[in-house]
Amino acid sequence: GAVVSQHPSWVICKSGTSVKIECRSLDFQATTMFWYRQFPKQSLMLMATSNEGSKATYEQGVEKDKFLINHASLTLSTLTVTSAHPEDSSFYICSGEGVSGSWPNQETQYFGPGTRLLVL
Amino acid sequence: AQSVTQLDSQVPVFEEAPVELRCNYSSSVSVYLFWYVQYPNQGLQLLLKYLSGSTLVKGINGFEAEFNKSQTSFHLRKPSVHISDTAEYFCAVRIKAAGNKLTFGGGTRVLVKP
Repeated sequence: GAVVSQHPSWVICKSGTSVKIECRSLDFQATTMFWYRQFPKQSLMLMATSNEGSKATYEQGVEKDKFLINHASLTLSTLTVTSAHPEDSSFYICSGEGVSGSWPNQETQYFGPGTRLLVL
Repeated sequence: AQSVTQLDSQVPVFEEAPVELRCNYSSSVSVYLFWYVQYPNQGLQLLLKYLSGSTLVKGINGFEAEFNKSQTSFHLRKPSVHISDTAEYFCAVRIKAAGNKLTFGGGTRVLVKP
């Protein structure tokens, strides 16, 4: 099936530093990529939607200057958490929308394994 | 705006017993419906989706769901669960005519006991 990878899988950083998370679609082209945030035992909250080559669209309440998103190609999107603080600690999940060569053979969102961020 | 409600936050079930996870949605327009599964410390995996056609949708791992438009529901079922089905399950909707954003329910944690 379609695979989306994220790197790193987990990261610990000091408060005030910036962290970059990569999201790659490995066997399909993702015209649209999504970034979600998930707090423990809660659902996914969409942060932003990005289309290749254009600026990301952020959801209400998400600071665009804090969460920088770049969608440089059809297979790569990055999320940079700038000047991270402890309240930014969370599980960040990306997804790419595209058509893979296997089930369900339709445009579908494929999710990455997530990146756990801990800001000390 | 659309919303998704998963009525049960946790569902304990014995191995080989059936399970049903409830999902209700609210939307003024037509939607597509999805069920995803999340295993511990992993991303989400698509179980099944309803786009159109038959209201009974079969997915992977023996799961199926039935779309009921009058009750605005999309309940997920499996006739016989395995220990490996222990996971978090998320119902999601997407507006048909308005882009590709998913709105997720709060999730249901399924714990399969031996």
